[in-house]
Amino acid sequence: DVKVTQSSRYLVKRTGEKVFLECVQDMDHENMFWYRQDPGLGLRLIYFSYDVKMKEKGDIPEGYSVSREKKERFSLILESASTNQTSMYLCASSSLYTQYFGPGTRLTVL
Amino acid sequence: GQNIDQPTEMTATEGAIVQINCTYQTSGFNGLFWYQQHAGEAPTFLSYNVLDGLEEKGRFSSFLSRSKGYSYLLLKELQMKDSASYLCAVEMEYGNKLVFGAGTILRVKS
Repeated sequence: DVKVTQSSRYLVKRTGEKVFLECVQDMDHENMFWYRQDPGLGLRLIYFSYDVKMKEKGDIPEGYSVSREKKERFSLILESASTNQTSMYLCASSSLYTQYFGPGTRLTVL
Repeated sequence: GQNIDQPTEMTATEGAIVQINCTYQTSGFNGLFWYQQHAGEAPTFLSYNVLDGLEEKGRFSSFLSRSKGYSYLLLKELQMKDSASYLCAVEMEYGNKLVFGAGTILRVKS
């Protein structure tokens, strides 16, 4: 079974804090993705990566950055958290075409 | 821009059949996915259509018409556990980048 894990299920941070969201997959997948999910808007792609040390901007990259130093790990970084970044964050990985999702991190920025 | 439309909510009765429609207008198209997401959980893969026609998998079937930019997910013999959000997603031309619709909340009543 493919397993995608995320470091936290729930996170509460203050405005201006630097936030790290970690994602690890155990299936040796090349592709990894970060989405945020908001009611009425669906999943929106923030960043993705096709290989180690490689990253591509998704549809809403502003205010975010990513890091992929190892194949199995893909980190999402909020350099200075803002209240409009309160959301559910989902990580996914894929090899050929099917994306497998982690359980999500619900981030609240106060 | 990319546009993927699905109904916001649907209600159906246990044992019945329900069809969830998805229309799309995107700058690229490689295939169409359907995912199921229960409240508070990660999306899970249901189906993937590349060619026109119907793909059947147990109680679930998915249809695609590329020329019409249209897909539907058909759920037969509805069960209470089918109450969930159903996400339509278009795979863009390169890689495995997905663009998601806002999702359809399906409520199954007894």
